[in-house]
Amino acid sequence: QKEVEQNSGPLSVPEGAIASLNCTYSDRGSQSFFWYRQYSGKSPELIMFIYSNGDKEDGRFTAQLNKASQYVSLLIRDSQPSDSATYLCAVNLRQAGTALIFGKGTTLSVSS
Amino acid sequence: SAVISQKPSRDICQRGTSLTIQCQVDSQVTMMFWYRQQPGQSLTLIATANQGSEATYESGFVIDKFPISRPNLTFSTLTVSNMSPEDSSIYLCSVILSYEQYFGPGTRLTVT
Repeated sequence: QKEVEQNSGPLSVPEGAIASLNCTYSDRGSQSFFWYRQYSGKSPELIMFIYSNGDKEDGRFTAQLNKASQYVSLLIRDSQPSDSATYLCAVNLRQAGTALIFGKGTTLSVSS
Repeated sequence: SAVISQKPSRDICQRGTSLTIQCQVDSQVTMMFWYRQQPGQSLTLIATANQGSEATYESGFVIDKFPISRPNLTFSTLTVSNMSPEDSSIYLCSVILSYEQYFGPGTRLTVT
């Protein structure tokens, strides 16, 4: 069974620190990898995606992908209380343009 | 990005009844998806709805329970039939635009 695994947390970090969120996936054929943020009672919001091995940076967010280890991570620099949310890792198991499969999410709490 | 609206935003329904959820997108999209998010859980894909063809259902979901329509490239409906309390969930419409997947605001369904 194709799976996307995340530590449910909660992950607690102080304001200004780096938050590191991790995700592993089971299908070596996975093509693309996405990170979503979901505030309580809201729908998921796309933060960023990554296709190639290595790092991809967007503002305070960096996604890291290691296909050999089947591992993708999200780093949030200078964490703010407004970053407190559930972060969902999603993987495209088939081909680009088909529906994503989601992990259970990691709850991040940033304390001021 | 895509602007997605859903109706209703929430509803309370009685056991045994049916509810039809509407999803409207501001762009023409080939693929639309329906997800379910049960309380405290991640997103589970129900089905993929392509215009002009029958919806494709994921394991554990059947057409008789969750019939889907896709009459054009901007609109879809999901019906939750013969509801039971286990169907209480948030139902989310989603689309892919330029290889990025976006979500509607969700329909919060409570079955009593």
